[in-house]
Amino acid sequence: GQQLNQSPQSMFIQEGEDVSMNCTSSSIFNTWLWYKQDPGEGPVLLIALYKAGELTSNGRLTAQFGITRKDSFLNISASIPSDVGIYFCAGQLAYSGAGSYQLTFGKGTKLSVIP
Amino acid sequence: KAGVTQTPRYLIKTRGQQVTLSCSPISGHRSVSWYQQTPGQGLQFLFEYFSETQRNKGNFPGRFSGRQFSNSRSEMNVSTLELGDSALYLCASSFQRQGSNTEAFFGQGTRLTVV
Repeated sequence: GQQLNQSPQSMFIQEGEDVSMNCTSSSIFNTWLWYKQDPGEGPVLLIALYKAGELTSNGRLTAQFGITRKDSFLNISASIPSDVGIYFCAGQLAYSGAGSYQLTFGKGTKLSVIP
Repeated sequence: KAGVTQTPRYLIKTRGQQVTLSCSPISGHRSVSWYQQTPGQGLQFLFEYFSETQRNKGNFPGRFSGRQFSNSRSEMNVSTLELGDSALYLCASSFQRQGSNTEAFFGQGTRLTVV
């Protein structure tokens, strides 16, 4: 089955630094999603990407949908303490309201921010 | 607009028992998916429902089942509980219509502990 490789597994950074994480897949996806999860809570959607090559920002977050449709990355600029959490990438085959809505998740990147 | 609501938030059950978890999707969303999250396996897809029909099923034993009602609310059931079923169970809803985006929004999850 499909697998997502997400790296790095964990990061310790100083407040104010930029962060970068990525996901690669053995097969293509039509949609890439990035989520953040706090302990004991459900994942919260950060950014959704729908087109190969698409670059999308949400505040200090920027994500890109790789042109091969097999990878995506997420950047966080000027990190702050509330960025702490686990970030997940997820690939989905659904496109424009059709197809399977099943999400395939990476293992997550645990981010720690040192004040 | 209310988010995805899962009940209960926490459950403790004994091996061999059965359990039913509930999910109310975002109003207007017709697709509901269920995921199991464990430290070892990460987020794993269980099944997806749309218009009261199961469209997709993950690689889980038959002890895991679900259903969706006409108002899009969904339940999942686990029979003959095993210790390994201890996990955070997450429900996600998506608005499905041709030409629409496909992002999934998650509830806070139900923490199931089997003793």
